[in-house]
Amino acid sequence: EPEVTQTPSHQVTQMGQEVILRCVPISNHLYFYWYRQILGQKVEFLVSFYNNEISEKSEIFDDQFSVERPDGSNFTLKIRSTKLEDSAMYFCASRSDRGKSSYNEQFFGPGTRLTVL
Amino acid sequence: AQSVAQPEDQVNVAEGNPLTVKCTYSVSGNPYLFWYVQYPNRGLQFLLKYITGDNLVKGSYGFEAEFNKSQTSFHLKKPSALVSDSALYFCAVRVSGSARQLTFGSGTQLTVLP
Repeated sequence: EPEVTQTPSHQVTQMGQEVILRCVPISNHLYFYWYRQILGQKVEFLVSFYNNEISEKSEIFDDQFSVERPDGSNFTLKIRSTKLEDSAMYFCASRSDRGKSSYNEQFFGPGTRLTVL
Repeated sequence: AQSVAQPEDQVNVAEGNPLTVKCTYSVSGNPYLFWYVQYPNRGLQFLLKYITGDNLVKGSYGFEAEFNKSQTSFHLKKPSALVSDSALYFCAVRVSGSARQLTFGSGTQLTVLP
C-alpha cells in the first residue's frame, strides 16, 4: 500500500539554524500539507500546497517558514531560523484529486520530530 | 471558524467490551468529519470519514462512527474492543467547499485492558 514517507525521523538543531524537513507524498497525489504537533497539544495546520503554489496557510506559517516541491517527488518544509518554540512533531500529508476530490481523505506520514536546543 | 472537541483525554475499556470515543464539532457549513488513529512512533492513520449520505459510516478494523447533526457529534464506536486497538485517536473536521485543511481535536488515548 502506498504511503507518505518523511525524513529524517528526528532532527536536532541549534536555535537560529536552518532546517529542511523532507516528505515524499503518495505518487499520484496532488495536494500536499504540513501540520505540526507540539508535545501534548493538538495537531495544527501549517500550510497546504497545490499546483506548485501555496493554497492556504495558518498564522503559524510566518516568514520563517517556506515550502517547496523541488522535483516530482519531494515536498519540503524549511524553517529559516529555528526558535525553541518550533520544537514539535511535523507531519506531512497528501491527498488525491481523483473523483470528487474534496471528499478525499488526507494520508499522513510518520512525522519528523524536531528538537531545537 | 471550525473546531473539534474530544472531551475525554483517556478512555479505558476491557477487551471484548464495546468502546466509544466521543467527538463534537463546530462549523459554519456542512462538515466533513474524519477519524484518525496514531500508534506510538507512527503517523496518523485514516480510519473513516463522513461526507454525506448515511449517518452511520463504517471504517477500518471494525470501527464505525455515527454522524448526529442535531447534537453536532461524530462518536467513534466499536462493538468489541481488542487490546491492539489501544492507541491515540483524533477526530478532525473541515468544511465542505472551502478550506481544505483539517482541524483536529486534542486526541483521546484509548487503552483496552486484557
